[in-house]
Amino acid sequence: QLHLQESGPGLVKPSETLSLTCTVSGGSISSSTYYWGWIRQPPGKGLEWIGSVYYIGSSYYNPSLKSRVTISVDTSKNQFSLKLTSVTAADTAIYYCARSIWRTSPEFDFWGQGTLVTVSS
Amino acid sequence: QSVLTQPPSASGTPGQRVTISCSGSSSNIGSIYVYWFQQVPGTAPKLLISRNNQRPSGVPDRFSGSKSGTSASLAISGLRSEDEADYYCAAWDDSLSAAVFGGGTKLTVL
Repeated sequence: QLHLQESGPGLVKPSETLSLTCTVSGGSISSSTYYWGWIRQPPGKGLEWIGSVYYIGSSYYNPSLKSRVTISVDTSKNQFSLKLTSVTAADTAIYYCARSIWRTSPEFDFWGQGTLVTVSS
Repeated sequence: QSVLTQPPSASGTPGQRVTISCSGSSSNIGSIYVYWFQQVPGTAPKLLISRNNQRPSGVPDRFSGSKSGTSASLAISGLRSEDEADYYCAAWDDSLSAAVFGGGTKLTVL
């Protein structure tokens, strides 16, 4: 069974860079069938797609965050990562990593448990 | 101000049938598939309906999805207490080149 696990600091200072890693187990991140994405959810609010990456490194971002986001993949470690620069309190959220079947689709069929990142000094 | 519009709340009694609506536009629901997610408080979202009306393995047939034009609906029949959760619709938006979600509907089982 596929398992995704987010890891990274739970507290980030304003203006700094948020960095998270998603480790995939029970399946290969190098499968040509899937894309790997990040979705976030501010406390008590709805879901927002951040972006996705393909195993060869091609990445696709939500235009609303594109200037601050980088998503990369490390196939040797079966991991993909998120970097979000110049964070503010508005970036405080639960961050989920997930697998999708198409690039142009929110068909996220497997999710990590999520990790809360708080932006505060 | 979500791209997809859902009612903030819905409710029903055990055994009842409830529907949750999702309204979009020609650049998202009107042109491509709709997806539905169920999120029990404190847990990650779970894919409930894919490609308008397909149930992933393990999803009870009490859950069904439909789409007409730029709107979609999720129906839950034989409502059970464990169905109490937040439900989100989602689609790809061609104009935004982004996956978009509805604001979510909190379902209460009375």
